[in-house]
Amino acid sequence: GAVVSQHPSWVICKSGTSVKIECRSLDFQATTMFWYRQFPKQSLMLMATSNEGSKATYEQGVEKDKFLINHASLTLSTLTVTSAHPEDSSFYICSALAEGVDTQYFGPGTRLTVL
Amino acid sequence: GNSVTQMEGPVTLSEEAFLTINCTYTATGYPSLFWYVQYPGEGLQLLLKATKADDKGSNKGFEATYRKETTSFHLEKGSVQVSDSAVYFCAPGNQGGKLIFGQGTELSVKP
Repeated sequence: GAVVSQHPSWVICKSGTSVKIECRSLDFQATTMFWYRQFPKQSLMLMATSNEGSKATYEQGVEKDKFLINHASLTLSTLTVTSAHPEDSSFYICSALAEGVDTQYFGPGTRLTVL
Repeated sequence: GNSVTQMEGPVTLSEEAFLTINCTYTATGYPSLFWYVQYPGEGLQLLLKATKADDKGSNKGFEATYRKETTSFHLEKGSVQVSDSAVYFCAPGNQGGKLIFGQGTELSVKP
């Protein structure tokens, strides 16, 4: 149980294009999902917290117009990197939290490379 | 707010050696404590957790005990395997289910 998937697992795009990453909880309902960014050999940096049916809460320094987050259902959250640039290249990881449970379950991550 | 300090890596051990990765935290109240493991190129997997003082979390031969008096949650394994090579993250929980991650400790186990 408690499986979280991400799609795609990797993506290469041209500078200026937008990329959408999906995060799904496969066998439970996730009232809250989190989006993280990880640079090589570094820890995870929380970007935003997403609650189903409401606007995401972004961490300080994260541009909400750059990283659009939608959590339209209890099993799906999406992160759209708009007008991507090479500095947005990173490993993006989502996690999901069920209501009343204190354990985050993580997706396998999405490697984004912007040329 | 909560914070966490982990033992710096990389930690290099021979197969069957004893492993300890230290983790200390500062927190308001008594948060749940987690260890996650990240294998190369993958997301994080929950390794074990403890929800209250003196609880011992265990999984796959790994153990960690919630020490309130020393605010620590050290990870131990009696005999590591090559397949345990990964990055290990200690993380106290926070309000709203957030996690506060340490910097991660890379473990390399040699045959």
